Amino acid sequence: EPEVTQTPSHQVTQMGQEVILRCVPISNHLYFYWYRQILGQKVEFLVSFYNNEISEKSEIFDDQFSVERPDGSNFTLKIRSTKLEDSAMYFCASSPGGDLRGNEQFFGPGTRLTVL
Amino acid sequence: GESVGLHLPTLSVQEGDNSIINCAYSNSASDYFIWYKQESGKGPQFIIDIRSNMDKRQGQRVTVLLNKTVKHLSLQIAATQPGDSAVYFCAENLYNFNKFYFGSGTKLNVKP
Repeated sequence: EPEVTQTPSHQVTQMGQEVILRCVPISNHLYFYWYRQILGQKVEFLVSFYNNEISEKSEIFDDQFSVERPDGSNFTLKIRSTKLEDSAMYFCASSPGGDLRGNEQFFGPGTRLTVL
Repeated sequence: GESVGLHLPTLSVQEGDNSIINCAYSNSASDYFIWYKQESGKGPQFIIDIRSNMDKRQGQRVTVLLNKTVKHLSLQIAATQPGDSAVYFCAENLYNFNKFYFGSGTKLNVKP
């Protein structure tokens, strides 16, 4: 069964450093998402991406964040200058698009980001 | 702003019993709702969804009920099994299908 994969599973970085979190969505999906989940808190929407551009973003997704789909298979989230409060689990998701069933989002296993 | 919340943070049930997990949402304009299951150390997993033009939808052992009058969503799990133990989130979608707001989650403990 196809699945969303994410690398690395755990990323440790120093405050102020840039990090890139990588995701490989399911191959025939058209919509891509990043979410984050601070430990013990709810899942928070960051950004959605369709047709090679951002379609929606949340208040969290400020100028420090960017997304890219560089090669038709990978979907990356970049944080330019990490802050302590960026420490969280980051989930990538994809959905097929189209009718209602096409809106079912398939989540990856997550990347745990720890900012020291 | 938009708000999705859960009434009960933890629910304990006996194996074989039915479970009901509740969710309240604040924005009457929300038109699409999803229930997710999240097991420890894993990403959320889609369970069932419902559009605002419906008030009930059934899946395999799960039923979602939507009461738009009081802005309330519930997930019913029939014959709860130990494998159902997880955190359950509801999520709402506003106006389009590309931005979702999640509730804080209810932890379901199934006792054997």
